[in-house]
Amino acid sequence: GQQLNQSPQSMFIQEGEDVSMNCTSSSIFNTWLWYKQDPGEGPVLLIALYKAGELTSNGRLTAQFGITRKDSFLNISASIPSDVGIYFCAGHLETSGSRLTFGEGTQLTVNP
Amino acid sequence: EPEVTQTPSHQVTQMGQEVILRCVPISNHLYFYWYRQILGQKVEFLVSFYNNEISEKSEIFDDQFSVERPDGSNFTLKIRSTKLEDSAMYFCASGGRVVSTTEAFFGQGTRLTVV
Repeated sequence: GQQLNQSPQSMFIQEGEDVSMNCTSSSIFNTWLWYKQDPGEGPVLLIALYKAGELTSNGRLTAQFGITRKDSFLNISASIPSDVGIYFCAGHLETSGSRLTFGEGTQLTVNP
Repeated sequence: EPEVTQTPSHQVTQMGQEVILRCVPISNHLYFYWYRQILGQKVEFLVSFYNNEISEKSEIFDDQFSVERPDGSNFTLKIRSTKLEDSAMYFCASGGRVVSTTEAFFGQGTRLTVV
């Protein structure tokens, strides 16, 4: 199947630090979505991106839809302990219809 | 705030048994989905459902799987004869308030354990 390469796989940071993670693919995406998943819970939508070059913020979170439509990044500023969790990128491929393709996830740990 | 609800939260079943996982999508949404997540792995697409029919399915969604929207609110996933490898978290999602695919909002999941 189509691959989304998400990096880093895991991050260990101190409270207050900024965080950056990204997803890349060899395929073109029509939308990019970023989700956060807590243990035993479903993914929660953080940010949705619809156009190449779009930069969108949601509080301390900022995400961008890459110009090539093959990548996206998520930044978290001034991290806090409740930011701990797994962050997934997901997108609608240009060649697929309604299915979302998910990345492998970035496990974020924030030390107080 | 409207949310997708799933029942049960945890289901344990014997191999070979049939299971039905239930979902109530967000009420004004038009697209409904099932995804699964094997422990420690990424979320994988199973099937999407629009206008009372399957619009897309993955290679995982074989003849053992079926979906149904029996009334105006419920959306179900049936696994006819469960296998050990069907053990996973199953997520229902809904989206698309207009005729387009945009965000997908996920439920809390059903943890299926096949023994």
